[in-house]
Amino acid sequence: AQSVTQPDIHITVSEGASLELRCNYSYGATPYLFWYVQSPGQGLQLLLKYFSGDTLVQGIKGFEAEFKRSQSSFNLRKPSVHWSDAAEYFCAVGPDEKLTFGTGTRLTIIP
Amino acid sequence: DAGVTQSPTHLIKTRGQHVTLRCSPISGHKSVSWYQQVLGQGPQFIFQYYEKEERGRGNFPDRFSARQFPNYSSELNVNALLLGDSALYLCASSLGQGGQPQHFGDGTRLSIL
Repeated sequence: AQSVTQPDIHITVSEGASLELRCNYSYGATPYLFWYVQSPGQGLQLLLKYFSGDTLVQGIKGFEAEFKRSQSSFNLRKPSVHWSDAAEYFCAVGPDEKLTFGTGTRLTIIP
Repeated sequence: DAGVTQSPTHLIKTRGQHVTLRCSPISGHKSVSWYQQVLGQGPQFIFQYYEKEERGRGNFPDRFSARQFPNYSSELNVNALLLGDSALYLCASSLGQGGQPQHFGDGTRLSIL
């Protein structure tokens, strides 16, 4: 069965600092991997996706993620966070449209 | 273009009642998926429909059912509501041709009293 682990429940970073959110997955074949962001009371917005090819994926809002098959990881990074990045971040894995999500990482930005 | 739209935005029901949630996908998208997101957790897959056929079902009881209409809109029905059904119900649409990212609506917040 597929699964996703996001080890960090809550992360606090200063505005302008770099960010890395961790995601580990379990999946039997080459996975489809996604990062979504959710602001309070809203739905999920797709940040980036990995299907195949280049293991470094660029997304919206300056985010990127690196697929590492040997470590079963798909960590999300941003070189300099902005106050508007405060939100809940979800990593997901799946075949097609039947996604399995992690429990999320809440990101707090301090001035 | 309009995104995925869900109605109603909020809903309050009592235990034992029945509820119907509605979803309109992005124009051109033929696949609709439903997810349940309990407070403090990630979304859990409930159903996927493509071209009006059920393509997948998650680990939910038979009280949960869904259907997709010829215009690709969808309904999620939940019977005999329990307190534990209180959650944000998310609908997502995609082209449905494999490996396509899903686009989510803002969800329906269902509260069971």
